[in-house]
Amino acid sequence: QSALTQPRSVSGSPGQSVTISCTGSSGDVGGFHYVSWYQQHPVKAPKLIIFDVNKRPSGVPDRFSGSKSGNTASLIISGLQADDEADYFCSSYAGNKIFVFGSGTKVNVL
Amino acid sequence: EVQLAESGGGLVQPGRSLRLSCAASGFNFADYAMHWVRQAPGKGLEWVSGISWDSSTIGYADSVKGRVTISRDNAKNSLYLQMNSLSPEDTALYYCAKEIRPLFYYYGMDVWGQGTTVAVSS
Repeated sequence: QSALTQPRSVSGSPGQSVTISCTGSSGDVGGFHYVSWYQQHPVKAPKLIIFDVNKRPSGVPDRFSGSKSGNTASLIISGLQADDEADYFCSSYAGNKIFVFGSGTKVNVL
Repeated sequence: EVQLAESGGGLVQPGRSLRLSCAASGFNFADYAMHWVRQAPGKGLEWVSGISWDSSTIGYADSVKGRVTISRDNAKNSLYLQMNSLSPEDTALYYCAKEIRPLFYYYGMDVWGQGTTVAVSS
C-alpha cells in the first residue's frame, strides 16, 4: 500500500490556475472511478472538494475541478485565491477494502 | 448539522492499548460506512481502517493490520478503534470520517471530525 505520488508543492499568483497531479497504479487510481480530493488548512480537519474523480460537493466553488487519465488523477484550481493556500491530498479506493491517500501537495499563492 | 466527535486519545507507553471512540450526530449513522484516518505530526493523511454500514465489510491498512480492530454500534451512533501493541510510529491525530454515499464503502469521506491525539512514548 504505497502512497499515491503528488508534487510536494505548486505555486501560482492570484487569478492563475494550478494543477496538482496524483499518480498511482492500475490497482488504485487507474482501476477505479473513486478518486477524491481534500483541502486541509493548517490545524484544520480535511475538507472534501472533489469525489468520483470530477464531482463537487455542494458549496465547493466550480473553480475546483478534477480529471483522470490512466493512472494519474489531477486537481485543477482556476482563478487562484489567497484562501486556496493549503495542503491538498488525493485519495483512491485501492480494492480489497483498502483506501490510499496521496503524499500531499502544498499550494502556495504568491 | 452533521457532526463527528472523536475521543479517547492520550499519552500511552509503547506496547500498551488504547480505544478511540467517535460519536456521530446529524445523520442516519446506521446507513453509512465509516473510516479512521490518521495524520502524524507534520505529515500527510494515512487511511487506517474502514467499516461498512452493517459491519460486513472491514478493511485495514497494512501498517496496523493485526494490531487494530474497528467496530461500530449503530444503536449508539458510535464508531470505535481498538489499538493494541502501540508503537511510537502510531503517534498521530486520529480522525473519524463519514463515507460519502449511504450503503456504499468505496467513494471516500465527506465529513470529518476534529480528531483525537494519540502520543506513544515512554
